[in-house]
Parts: sequence; C-alpha cells; structure tokens
Amino acid sequence: EDQVTQSPEALRLQEGESSSLNCSYTVSGLRGLFWYRQDPGKGPEFLFTLYSAGEEKEKERLKATLTKKESFLHITAPKPEDSATYLCAVRPGGSNYKLTFGKGTLLTVNP
Amino acid sequence: GAVVSQHPSWVICKSGTSVKIECRSLDFQATTMFWYRQFPKQSLMLMATSNEGSKATYEQGVEKDKFLINHASLTLSTLTVTSAHPEDSSFYICSGSRGNTGELFFGEGSRLTVL
Repeated sequence: EDQVTQSPEALRLQEGESSSLNCSYTVSGLRGLFWYRQDPGKGPEFLFTLYSAGEEKEKERLKATLTKKESFLHITAPKPEDSATYLCAVRPGGSNYKLTFGKGTLLTVNP
Repeated sequence: GAVVSQHPSWVICKSGTSVKIECRSLDFQATTMFWYRQFPKQSLMLMATSNEGSKATYEQGVEKDKFLINHASLTLSTLTVTSAHPEDSSFYICSGSRGNTGELFFGEGSRLTVL
C-alpha cells in the first residue's frame, strides 16, 4: 500500500530561521512527488513536482529535493507569510493521476 | 499555474436537503477531475475520480448514491450531496489534472455545514 509520512507535524520558526520539512514515502513505481501549500480554509496551492531521485527545484525561499525514499522541502530565511500547512503527495505508477497525500506539516513563522 | 474555481465557498443547509457544489477549470481543459474531502487537521481524502462524459469512479467506502458526481464537460464537474446529514459536514475540494504531468490544480474548497 502506498504511504506518505510527513514530519514534523508542526514546526515553529523565528523569521529568518531556516529549516527543512520531511516527506517519507513508499510507493509502487513513483511517477511524481508533489508539494503543495495550503492556507487555512483554502484549497492546496501547487508548488513543485519532482520525478526522479537527485532532482531539485526552487521557488523563492523554497527548495525541494528528492531521494528514492524521501523528499525535503527546505525553507531558507522564512518570513511570516510562509506560515501554512505544507502537503506532500505521491503519484504511484499506473495511477489515473490519483495522488496519495501525507497529513502535512503546519509551519508557523513568528516575526 | 492553472486556475480552478469552486462554488460556493461555503454553504449551510438543513438536514435532509441536497447541496450542489460546482468545480470549473477556467484556463485549461480537465479530462479528469477529482473530489476530495478534508476533516480538520487531517489530510485530503480522495472521494472519487470523474472523467468527462463517463461515470465517476468512487473510492472504497464512499456512497455513490449520496455523493453524486457529474462531469458534463471538460471544464465543469459537480458534486451533489444528497439528503445531507450533520456527519456530511466537511471541507470539500475539487481538483483538475492538466495535460499528462500528473500535476493537480485545486479549487478553493467548499465548506459544508449541515444543521
């Protein structure tokens, strides 16, 4: 069974304090690992797609990396507006674009 | 990114009534759309997959007669919660798949409260 585990469940940072969020996965034939940002009461906002181990993608203060077992979302010098829940999802091989989501990491950045 | 519009954003209804939620892809054609349900502090749970012009595929445990899904066109899918009860209160989110990248773009979500 495909599984996605995110850690930590919650993370509090001071503004400017860099850190990383983890997404561990077990999936049959990974066809994509996705990161989303979700603000309270809103739908998830697409951030990145990673397809193969060693791949990295960046967007502003965020950088996503991928290995064969896990992905990291690195946040460099975060700002309060980066506060949100970050969701990780995987697309198994042979799936009809179905994604399996983790429970997310609630990030709070204090000014 | 692609834009998915969901309406209404929130709805309150009485127990026993039916509620329809619309999901539109505004700037792309979504051959496949997905409906998710999310409880507080929980992850997204896939309810069903809908393909334009065909019947939806429901996940195990999801009542197809309660949650009616219609994918009438490449830009519109609807979810109707029939004979709603308080336990159906939740946050419902739709998403559309653009192209064959597997990337899903989500609507803003609809908060349903059944009294």
